[in-house]
Amino acid sequence: AQSVTQPDIHITVSEGASLELRCNYSYGATPYLFWYVQSPGQGLQLLLKYFSGDTLVQGIKGFEAEFKRSQSSFNLRKPSVHWSDAAEYFCAVGAGAGGTSYGKLTFGQGTILTVHP
Amino acid sequence: ETGVTQTPRHLVMGMTNKKSLKCEQHLGHNAMYWYKQSAKKPLELMFVYNFKEQTENNSVPSRFSPECPNSSHLFLHLHTLQPEDSALYLCASSQDSQGARYEQYFGPGTRLTVT
Repeated sequence: AQSVTQPDIHITVSEGASLELRCNYSYGATPYLFWYVQSPGQGLQLLLKYFSGDTLVQGIKGFEAEFKRSQSSFNLRKPSVHWSDAAEYFCAVGAGAGGTSYGKLTFGQGTILTVHP
Repeated sequence: ETGVTQTPRHLVMGMTNKKSLKCEQHLGHNAMYWYKQSAKKPLELMFVYNFKEQTENNSVPSRFSPECPNSSHLFLHLHTLQPEDSALYLCASSQDSQGARYEQYFGPGTRLTVT
């Protein structure tokens, strides 16, 4: 079975500082990996996804993530955080090519990001 | 309307009530999903529909009854709920549900409170 761990429940950074949110996954084959963001009272918005190919993927709002198979990680990064980035961030893993999970995504518990001015 | 919409946004119901949550997607997708988001717990997949057929029921209690009349609409019928069912219920859609190749687009959710 697939699983996702986001080790940091809450992270606080200053505006303009760099950010890295950690995500570790467990899956027996090549996974599909996603990062979503959720603002208070809203649904989840897709930031970026990894299916195959280049292990460094670019997303919306200046975010990027790097897939490292050897470390089973898919960490999210942003070089300079803006106050509007304050939200909860979710990493998710889904069955890759040949999977039979019928679209089942497994989500991590989320990381709450607070941005100080 | 664009994307995925959900109504109502907030719902308070007693344990003996019957209510329904509605989800509509305007993206031309073929798969739709119900998720439950509770405080301090990971997002839980409840049901998956692909081309109107239910393909996943993640051991959800029978007091939750989904309905998918067409690829654009998804309902969640609720009856005799328990206080622990209070949560944010999220609907999502994707082009297809095979594997997880197609990213899911989420609605804003319905905040349900069971009293």
